[in-house]
Amino acid sequence: EAQVTQNPRYLITVTGKKLTVTCSQNMNHEYMSWYRQDPGLGLRQIYYSMNVEVTDKGDVPEGYKVSRKEKRNFPLILESPSPNQTSLYFCASSFSTGADTQYFGPGTRLTVL
Amino acid sequence: AQKITQTQPGMFVQEKEAVTLDCTYDTSDPSYGLFWYKQPSSGEMIFLIYQGSYDQQNATEGRYSLNFQKARKSANLVISASQLGDSAMYFCAMREWDDKIIFGKGTRLHILP
Repeated sequence: EAQVTQNPRYLITVTGKKLTVTCSQNMNHEYMSWYRQDPGLGLRQIYYSMNVEVTDKGDVPEGYKVSRKEKRNFPLILESPSPNQTSLYFCASSFSTGADTQYFGPGTRLTVL
Repeated sequence: AQKITQTQPGMFVQEKEAVTLDCTYDTSDPSYGLFWYKQPSSGEMIFLIYQGSYDQQNATEGRYSLNFQKARKSANLVISASQLGDSAMYFCAMREWDDKIIFGKGTRLHILP
């Protein structure tokens, strides 16, 4: 089954404790992206990647890191999480750009205390 | 300035009526794409419809159509014959030349029986 998976689905952590949210897709997609969703703000793009070893900042990259060492994986790293990073995070992928629709993962709800 | 504006935070519509969700966008790029997504209360993001800036005809997908008025920079989603299952959050999004994707803040649609 074609899908985007994220782990963990739920995470409660404390300020400053490094964490990684994994994202994997099995559709051989080139484009992958991370978003955060906050009430009243919609989805905001954090980082995106056009292909292996190519990443670019979205609108809200501060406090996040990503890497794209393999085509299928695009982990989101929070080196020193803070409470304002408490949010719902979505990973998404598409075959390419332009008209290609994005397939979204199920979301990761992160709480930073 | 917001690049994607959804002016209706919430809407109530009687079942079986048609509904129009507004979306205006701001870009100086001649090549862009516009998307609509649905997010039910379960949280997943569901792709509904796509319109390219060079597409001559308005996009349609089943009960969904996109009323694309390029000169006005609007891309309204029209849902015909609404159903109870259409109750959800709806997001308009735009992909620009640099492949960043910008989402609007969303419209919460309530279908009344």
